[in-house]
Amino acid sequence: DVKVTQSSRYLVKRTGEKVFLECVQDMDHENMFWYRQDPGLGLRLIYFSYDVKMKEKGDIPEGYSVSREKKERFSLILESASTNQTSMYLCASSLLEGGPGETQYFGPGTRLLVL
Amino acid sequence: SQQGEEDPQALSIQEGENATMNCSYKTSINNLQWYRQNSGRGLVHLILIRSNEREKHSGRLRVTLDTSKKSSSLLITASRAADTASYFCAGQGGSEKLVFGKGTKLTVNP
Repeated sequence: DVKVTQSSRYLVKRTGEKVFLECVQDMDHENMFWYRQDPGLGLRLIYFSYDVKMKEKGDIPEGYSVSREKKERFSLILESASTNQTSMYLCASSLLEGGPGETQYFGPGTRLLVL
Repeated sequence: SQQGEEDPQALSIQEGENATMNCSYKTSINNLQWYRQNSGRGLVHLILIRSNEREKHSGRLRVTLDTSKKSSSLLITASRAADTASYFCAGQGGSEKLVFGKGTKLTVNP
């Protein structure tokens, strides 16, 4: 069965802290994505990766960076957390065939609160 | 940039009734997908319809696509309380990335 896991369901951090959100998929998918979801704004793409060590900016990459050292793992990094990064973060993966618009499989989400 | 825009924003129905949600999008698409999200959880893929298809069924779900009107609809027949969730459409446009709408919150009352 398809599985995408995220390291934490809930996270509380202080302003200025460096925050790592981890995502692991066991489906051998090439594409991986990070979204944030805010009330009234829907899902917005932060970054995606179509291969190890490759990354592409999404619609709102400012204040974030990513790392993909292994195919199954995609990390989202908040270099210096700010209160406006309080949000629900969703990771997803998909097969390379069909491109990044193919069916995506989502993790359960990490709800991050920055104080 | 929002590719999909769902309508209505919220919908409340009784168990057993049908629920129809609409999605309009701005640019040409290769495919359009519908996802469901239970409260506080990740999204689950429901159905994908390609630009050369007009209608698709999956169990109690029926999706239509009208590329001339740039719109899609999701029909859930004989709704159940367990169908209570938010439903999102997502279009794959020229950038090849999926762009999600803001969602329709469906409440099915027992």
